[in-house]
Amino acid sequence: EPEVTQTPSHQVTQMGQEVILRCVPISNHLYFYWYRQILGQKVEFLVSFYNNEISEKSEIFDDQFSVERPDGSNFTLKIRSTKLEDSAMYFCASSVGTQNSPLHFGNGTRLTVT
Amino acid sequence: RKEVEQDPGPFNVPEGATVAFNCTYSNSASQSFFWYRQDCRKEPKLLMSVYSSGNEDGRFTAQLNRASQYISLLIRDSKLSDSATYLCVPGNTPLVFGKGTRLSVIA
Repeated sequence: EPEVTQTPSHQVTQMGQEVILRCVPISNHLYFYWYRQILGQKVEFLVSFYNNEISEKSEIFDDQFSVERPDGSNFTLKIRSTKLEDSAMYFCASSVGTQNSPLHFGNGTRLTVT
Repeated sequence: RKEVEQDPGPFNVPEGATVAFNCTYSNSASQSFFWYRQDCRKEPKLLMSVYSSGNEDGRFTAQLNRASQYISLLIRDSKLSDSATYLCVPGNTPLVFGKGTRLSVIA
């Protein structure tokens, strides 16, 4: 069964550093998402991406964050200058369609900012 | 107002028991719903999609009551491996997750 893959599984970085989290969505999916989950809290929406542009973003997704689909397979999330409070699990997801389509999540990247 | 309301639990049930979770939703225009399960520190995994009045998949049955705006998930013959958090998610984009209901199946 096709799946969403994310790398790395764990990233440790120092405050102020830039990080790039990588994702390979399911190949025939057209909609891509990033979510995050701070330990003990719920999964929170960050951004959705379709047709090479952001279609929606939450208030969490401020100027420190950016997304890119640099080629036909990868989908990346960049955090420009990490803060301690960025420590969380970051999940990439993809779906075939938009409304009423389930999301399929990757295994996540655990980001630890020290 | 929250999109969904679920009893956070935990529900502690013995193996073999039947357990049901209810979820009420606020947006009457929601056309579809998804049940996800999430294990500790893992990604949400799609358990079931509900597009009409209900869906059944093995030991799992989901029922949708649009008039009362709630959706339920029934798990029969609980297994230890069913222990997880169960999340009810309306199909409106982007999907919004609540805290879900914790289930512990005990030997």
